[in-house]
Amino acid sequence: EAGVTQSPTHLIKTRGQQVTLRCSPISGHTSVYWYQQALGLGLQFLLWYDEGEERNRGNFPPRFSGRQFPNYSSELNVNALELEDSALYLCASSLWLRNYEQYFGPGTRLTVT
Amino acid sequence: AQTVTQSQPEMSVQEAETVTLSCTYDTSESNYYLFWYKQPPSRQMILVIRQEAYKQQNATENRFSVNFQKAAKSFSLKISDSQLGDTAMYFCAFMRPIGNTGKLIFGQGTTLQVKP
Repeated sequence: EAGVTQSPTHLIKTRGQQVTLRCSPISGHTSVYWYQQALGLGLQFLLWYDEGEERNRGNFPPRFSGRQFPNYSSELNVNALELEDSALYLCASSLWLRNYEQYFGPGTRLTVT
Repeated sequence: AQTVTQSQPEMSVQEAETVTLSCTYDTSESNYYLFWYKQPPSRQMILVIRQEAYKQQNATENRFSVNFQKAAKSFSLKISDSQLGDTAMYFCAFMRPIGNTGKLIFGQGTTLQVKP
């Protein structure tokens, strides 16, 4: 069974630009979660999507947004990039109502210069 | 608000020995989940073990076991017969099922190095 996949593996952007990160969940999983792992800040919950709807949002500004597609894959968009957005962005997936079993992808390393 | 604290930023252990990683948490909930995740240098986060707060019995998964002390709000991870492949950062995490937030709350992590 294929695990959670994320693309790209890493990317470098300039402050003020916009970026889109992608995540494909494990087959059969309908929930997708996004976490930010920034140096010194640990892992922080960003967003939760299920059945195409945003179910919960962490304490992040509105320039962090996303969506979930009918095939349950998801995108995380970050607008107006700031230097402090440099981080590893992790995606996780789970079965519906089993969000206590989140399986993580390898992450996307974003560097903002 | 719930918080998770890992007071040991770094630890090391000799191969084949036993090591215990500490975690404390703060919550007013009576039912919740606790987790230990492993993040090797390859950075893929892997679920090591899960404990449900209403279960008295400590969870075990092969060489990994937990010591769950609900009253003390403590959740330590014991790794027996440490192997080189156990070298990783270990995160303790908490989730409250009530309200179904989907949100894992992580500690700051403990970097474990297993030495040959």
